[in-house]
Amino acid sequence: QKEVEQNSGPLSVPEGAIASLNCTYSDRVSQSFFWYRQYSGKSPELIMSIYSNGDKEDGRFTAQLNKASQYVSLLIRDSQPSDSATYLCAVTPGWRDTNAGKSTFGDGTTLTVKP
Amino acid sequence: SQTIHQWPATLVQPVGSPLSLECTVEGTSNPNLYWYRQAAGRGLQLLFYSVGIGQISSEVPQNLSASRPQDRQFILSSKKLLLSDSGFYLCAWRRARKETQYFGPGTRLLVL
Repeated sequence: QKEVEQNSGPLSVPEGAIASLNCTYSDRVSQSFFWYRQYSGKSPELIMSIYSNGDKEDGRFTAQLNKASQYVSLLIRDSQPSDSATYLCAVTPGWRDTNAGKSTFGDGTTLTVKP
Repeated sequence: SQTIHQWPATLVQPVGSPLSLECTVEGTSNPNLYWYRQAAGRGLQLLFYSVGIGQISSEVPQNLSASRPQDRQFILSSKKLLLSDSGFYLCAWRRARKETQYFGPGTRLLVL
């Protein structure tokens, strides 16, 4: 069983809509959660990190974390065609853990924003 | 600011040939360094990580090896490439006691 699960998509939304990307994880000791954006043929780029339950907003992006449900999501408001990419969810133990820094990645969700 | 470099950007190699990919980080000291491989349409598979010079941990047994000869240099090697070694190889770094990892531009390897 994969430790980090994401819907592979593709997820298609019209320009200006809200895109909702979901991620579930199996390891309860996970402490740090990240969303990376990866354009085709390029390396992943960090867009959001979240460490505590609740919402964290940064511009058009909102990350939501629910540790009890082992669920993290990313909302993209006012989606733009330039948001079209694959979004990777990454889960990491805290830095005090013996596995600190060993992030586990989901396979990613491909988002297409149609003009 | 910190930057991470990888080279070459692309590589086409025959089966059985050796491999050497290099990663260097600038603007920081004593980073934790990582090698990942990404198959087409898939997530990232952690191959090796290093917390210091000469300290390498292997995550997946295979015909690849890694070395860290200098603080900010990380090298991925193979003596004989397999077809299954094809993929997108990513180097990443993070500060000690921080969780966030930052990726280099990657090397696309095709083994024929």
